[in-house]
Amino acid sequence: EPEVTQTPSHQVTQMGQEVILRCVPISNHLYFYWYRQILGQKVEFLVSFYNNEISEKSEIFDDQFSVERPDGSNFTLKIRSTKLEDSAMYFCASSAFDEQFFGPGTRLTVL
Amino acid sequence: KNEVEQSPQNLTAQEGEFITINCSYSVGISALHWLQQHPGGGIVSLFMLSSGKKKHGRLIATINIQEKHSSLHITASHPRDSAVYICAVYLGNEKLTFGTGTRLTIIP
Repeated sequence: EPEVTQTPSHQVTQMGQEVILRCVPISNHLYFYWYRQILGQKVEFLVSFYNNEISEKSEIFDDQFSVERPDGSNFTLKIRSTKLEDSAMYFCASSAFDEQFFGPGTRLTVL
Repeated sequence: KNEVEQSPQNLTAQEGEFITINCSYSVGISALHWLQQHPGGGIVSLFMLSSGKKKHGRLIATINIQEKHSSLHITASHPRDSAVYICAVYLGNEKLTFGTGTRLTIIP
């Protein structure tokens, strides 16, 4: 069964460093999403992406964040200069039309 | 104000019990997801529904659009059902808005 994959599973970085979180969505899906979950809190929407551009973003998704689909398979989230409060689980999701399918997540720890 | 409310927040039950988790939302939606999150953190989609009822194995999900309410039921619960169950809704756009989750523990 096709699934969304994410790498790495865990990333540890120093404050101020850039990180890139990678996702491979399900191959025939057209809509892509990033969500995050700070420990002990609910999952929050970051950004949606369709037709090679951002279709919606939350107020969390400021200038420090960017997304890219560099080729036909990967979908990446870049955080330019990480802050302590960026420590969270980051989930990628994709959908063909409506139902979203989630990846296993990347746990980002900022020290 | 939370747009998506779940109850209970925590639920502990004996193996074999019938489980009900509730989700209420405050505005009109186009569809609703029930998701399962295991201790390792990964999220699995259980159901997406916009009306009526869906069943998959021991899991049943219902939604009442007029009352802005959905329920997730688990029949013959088992310790492997222990997880956090999350309700998430589409508020007429692409993004999902999540509830805070219900932590379910099934005791053998």
